Amino acid sequence: SQTIHQWPATLVQPVGSPLSLECTVEGTSNPNLYWYRQAAGRGLQLLFYSVGIGQISSEVPQNLSASRPQDRQFILSSKKLLLSDSGFYLCATDPPGLGTDTQYFGPGTRLTVL
Amino acid sequence: AQTVTQSQPEMSVQEAETVTLSCTYDTSESDYYLFWYKQPPSRQMILVIRQEAYKQQNATENRFSVNFQKAAKSFSLKISDSQLGDAAMYFCAYRSLYNNNDMRFGAGTRLTVKP
Repeated sequence: SQTIHQWPATLVQPVGSPLSLECTVEGTSNPNLYWYRQAAGRGLQLLFYSVGIGQISSEVPQNLSASRPQDRQFILSSKKLLLSDSGFYLCATDPPGLGTDTQYFGPGTRLTVL
Repeated sequence: AQTVTQSQPEMSVQEAETVTLSCTYDTSESDYYLFWYKQPPSRQMILVIRQEAYKQQNATENRFSVNFQKAAKSFSLKISDSQLGDAAMYFCAYRSLYNNNDMRFGAGTRLTVKP
């Protein structure tokens, strides 16, 4: 079974600073990868997903971007953070292909923008 | 677009009792997956139970079971013999069979377990 790592676990950043959150997956090849954001007391919002290296799809217009430089690495970035970027960021994965069902989540990164 | 609604922001149950969390969804698709995830204070999202829409039999995982009513588009979670460790946010989720990126989550229900 796959293991999902996220780094860092907690981050406090000033407005206007850059951001880089990392997600790595073990125990699977060519997984589908996802970035979600969870605002305080709310459900999950899908931000980006990737079906392969260099293949990124965005679900929500924003000042965030994602990249997948390696098969099992997914990075969430921003050039200039906004206050509204604060939240809990979750990386998720599921096996390659269409019709796969269950997504598994990493431990998350709590981002506070001041 | 598919939407998932959890109408109970908070629920409370006495330890060892049974509680049911509600979830309804809207879809025009005939085949899909439904899930319940648990998010304890650590905020790790943990899969509790899953249901394939084409299966009429309700899924069961130990003390957790679902009541899947496809025609009514209802997917409730029953927790039997509630334990203190069951206290968490519970999210209902819908996933399209035909579009991997189409996974929708409800707003969540916060479950408190009283000793």
